[in-house]
Amino acid sequence: NAGVTQTPKFQVLKTGQSMTLQCAQDMNHEYMSWYRQDPGMGLRLIHYSVGAGITDQGEVPNGYNVSRSTTEDFPLRLLSAAPSQTSVYFCASSRRQGSGEAFFGQGTRLTVV
Amino acid sequence: GEDVEQSLFLSVREGDSSVINCTYTDSSSTYLYWYKQEPGAGLQLLTYIFSNMDMKQDQRLTVLLNKKDKHLSLRIADTQTGDSAIYFCAESIDQGGKLIFGQGTELSVKP
Repeated sequence: NAGVTQTPKFQVLKTGQSMTLQCAQDMNHEYMSWYRQDPGMGLRLIHYSVGAGITDQGEVPNGYNVSRSTTEDFPLRLLSAAPSQTSVYFCASSRRQGSGEAFFGQGTRLTVV
Repeated sequence: GEDVEQSLFLSVREGDSSVINCTYTDSSSTYLYWYKQEPGAGLQLLTYIFSNMDMKQDQRLTVLLNKKDKHLSLRIADTQTGDSAIYFCAESIDQGGKLIFGQGTELSVKP
């Protein structure tokens, strides 16, 4: 059981470049989210989705787009990378019912130069 | 808005108990969680507590919840070097997969 899979694990971008961080889960979870982790700031919610076709903004959505065309996949797009987007990105998924336990991917370490 | 606060560092000796504290602001939280992050890895759920409980014990872990003061704590008994990690407190604010995290407490266990 793979759980939540993120690719790539590491990425270096130049300012202004675009890229997509991939996230896939095989647990049939309704909810999926993207967080960024910065030193001393914990994890901050970028975007989230409560089901296929539905997305919403989190705490820090600017500069990022998402889509949820299937239950399994929730890609995060950086349209024009900026140095302020240098961070570690985590994707998470959880069930609608129960304790809401979130399962996390291993993270993508992104550096924008 | 919602806010979760933790102290950033805690250092203990192997075999001692560790207590990591957390305060939160949203009184409508349904569940509160403790996650553990080891170096270079994602977050793993350690334990959680439902908001109508005041204590939960799971082997070496004890979670205490004081709803009146909006204070959550995690006690690790007989702390081992393998417990060295960053511990995050989080609250679920709308049962919609949105978690609000604290800054994380880096636990250092010295032999």
